[in-house]
Amino acid sequence: EVQLVESGGGLVQPGGSLRLSCVASGFSFSVYWMSWVRQAPGKGLEWVANINQDGSEEYYMDSVKGRFTISRDSGKNSVYLEMTNLRAEDTAVYYCARDERVVFLGFDYWGQGTLVTVSS
Amino acid sequence: DIQMTQSPSTLSASVGDRVRITCRASQPIDTWVAWYQQKPGKAPKLLIYDAYTLESGAPSRFSGSGSGTEFTLTISSLQPDDFATYFCQEYNNYSRTFGQGTKVEI
Repeated sequence: EVQLVESGGGLVQPGGSLRLSCVASGFSFSVYWMSWVRQAPGKGLEWVANINQDGSEEYYMDSVKGRFTISRDSGKNSVYLEMTNLRAEDTAVYYCARDERVVFLGFDYWGQGTLVTVSS
Repeated sequence: DIQMTQSPSTLSASVGDRVRITCRASQPIDTWVAWYQQKPGKAPKLLIYDAYTLESGAPSRFSGSGSGTEFTLTISSLQPDDFATYFCQEYNNYSRTFGQGTKVEI
């Protein structure tokens, strides 16, 4: 059974940092791109970033470029999102999702999400 | 960057209705569109990819159509379990931008 389990969310002050983790199981992690998606309270979905199989390619939404860094560790079947200089507008539930293998066929598996709250 | 404009934002319907949700891309994206269903407090669920391919396990009352810049998700006969929010998503190159969502309510 494919599972994605996020952790690391919490309350952080504006300007602070946080590192999210997502542990994958039930599939061959090393052959898939992985993505982070977020959803502010009562709002829509926002794709945040993705990373390729060996970590050599990363892509970000404009508003997080230079502040967020996506990375992965295939030995631990994990993908991470390092978030710095956090702003109130980064408050959201953050999901990790399985991205493409050879071609993109939709985010077919998602984690349960972890809540990040940026507030003083 | 490609923008996805979804309409309507809210849709009122009844069980048995045929429902259509539209997404417009800011530039042509072939058939690189997926559709998701999300219920409150839950992660989204993939329904359609490549504009019209039904994801395994998704009910056959869901269908997708379109190419280029105009895309449609159709629910042929709305069921009680279908009251939810629906999102389109483009995947041209390596971005994965979502539309704003359509809430289907009674």
